[in-house]
Amino acid sequence: DADVTQTPRNRITKTGKRIMLECSQTKGHDRMYWYRQDPGLGLRLIYYSFDVKDINKGEISDGYSVSRQAQAKFSLSLESAIPNQTALYFCATSDGGGNTEAFFGQGTRLTVV
Amino acid sequence: QKEVEQDPGPLSVPEGAIVSLNCTYSNSAFQYFMWYRQYSRKGPELLMYTYSSGNKEDGRFTAQVDKSSKYISLFIRDSQPSDSATYLCAMSLYNTDKLIFGTGTRLQVFP
Repeated sequence: DADVTQTPRNRITKTGKRIMLECSQTKGHDRMYWYRQDPGLGLRLIYYSFDVKDINKGEISDGYSVSRQAQAKFSLSLESAIPNQTALYFCATSDGGGNTEAFFGQGTRLTVV
Repeated sequence: QKEVEQDPGPLSVPEGAIVSLNCTYSNSAFQYFMWYRQYSRKGPELLMYTYSSGNKEDGRFTAQVDKSSKYISLFIRDSQPSDSATYLCAMSLYNTDKLIFGTGTRLQVFP
């Protein structure tokens, strides 16, 4: 089983719909992240969480919200999806600090039509 | 101007070639420098990590950091078709959790 699991792997949704992407990890890490990846723009940080009670906005948090349900679970919601949120979304975990490895999930390909 | 600049490629080389991948950055406070490799339909995986300036070698891979020029490089010797992937540079400030990624360079090694 993968250390970082994202569900669903692929999703097509309509404009205006609410959608939730889920992430669970078995690494035992406190820190979890949500990134989106777009061609030509690379990976950009949406939200990150240091523990269950600590949620922080990244560089592109507008239009997104997150919930840290447990140490191992971190979900990303799009309250009202729009087409420019079509992207590849990655969840990641780390043990802490800029000098530690981030472990990524397999990604969720989201298409908003 | 982006904090981290990386040529997106694609870069196509024959098997056995030496590959040079590069990133430039603007924030002189970056201390940690990483290279992640991302295969198609997969998440990125850490390939190399260096702290501050200098070189680090791991098998066929060498990472270089030149802080005076704000320039980092990844060299791949004796490249193999299995090296075909997107290579992303990433960097961070001391004791922070926020990685700043380059856009990634797509590399194809043909037999």
